[in-house]
Amino acid sequence: AQSVTQLGSHVSVSEGALVLLRCNYSSSVPPYLFWYVQYPNQGLQLLLKYTTGATLVKGINGFEAEFKKSETSFHLTKPSAHMSDAAEYFCAVMAAGNTDKLIFGTGTRLQVFP
Amino acid sequence: GAGVSQSPSNKVTEKGKDVELRCDPISGHTALYWYRQSLGQGLEFLIYFQGNSAPDKSGLPSDRFSAERTGGSVSTLTIQRTQQEDSAVYLCASSLDGRNQETQYFGPGTRLLVL
Repeated sequence: AQSVTQLGSHVSVSEGALVLLRCNYSSSVPPYLFWYVQYPNQGLQLLLKYTTGATLVKGINGFEAEFKKSETSFHLTKPSAHMSDAAEYFCAVMAAGNTDKLIFGTGTRLQVFP
Repeated sequence: GAGVSQSPSNKVTEKGKDVELRCDPISGHTALYWYRQSLGQGLEFLIYFQGNSAPDKSGLPSDRFSAERTGGSVSTLTIQRTQQEDSAVYLCASSLDGRNQETQYFGPGTRLLVL
């Protein structure tokens, strides 16, 4: 069975600082991994995804993530935080089988201070 | 184009009442998912529809929960005899075919409060 662990339910950074949100996965099959962002009172929006190919994946709003099989990790980074990045971020792995249902981590709330 | 829409955006109900939540997926998307987002359980999968295939109901928490998708488009999630622990945000998502790691597009959710 697949699972996702997000370390740190809350992360605070200063505007302009590096953003690092951690995600580790467990999967018995090659994983398909996703990062979603949720702004207050809104649905989830896809930031980026890894399915196959290049292990460094670039997404929207300057975010990127690197798939590291040896570390079973898919950490999300952004070189310079912006106030508008304040939101909740969810890492997810796609369940094996004939459906594309997502198994989510518990989320990390990012706060950005001026 | 139009995204996934859900209605109502908010629903307050009394314990024991039935509720219906509606989802309109993106036109042309054959796969539709329901997820629940609650404080205690995080984001969890409920049910999945793909075309005319039998739905994957493996995430439904109890037999009080049911869902249907009529005509391969609109879906309704029904919760019978609501309990306070059903209070959550119910999110609907759709994707092109649901079998090729396609991106899931989420609606804004229905916030359900059971008093």
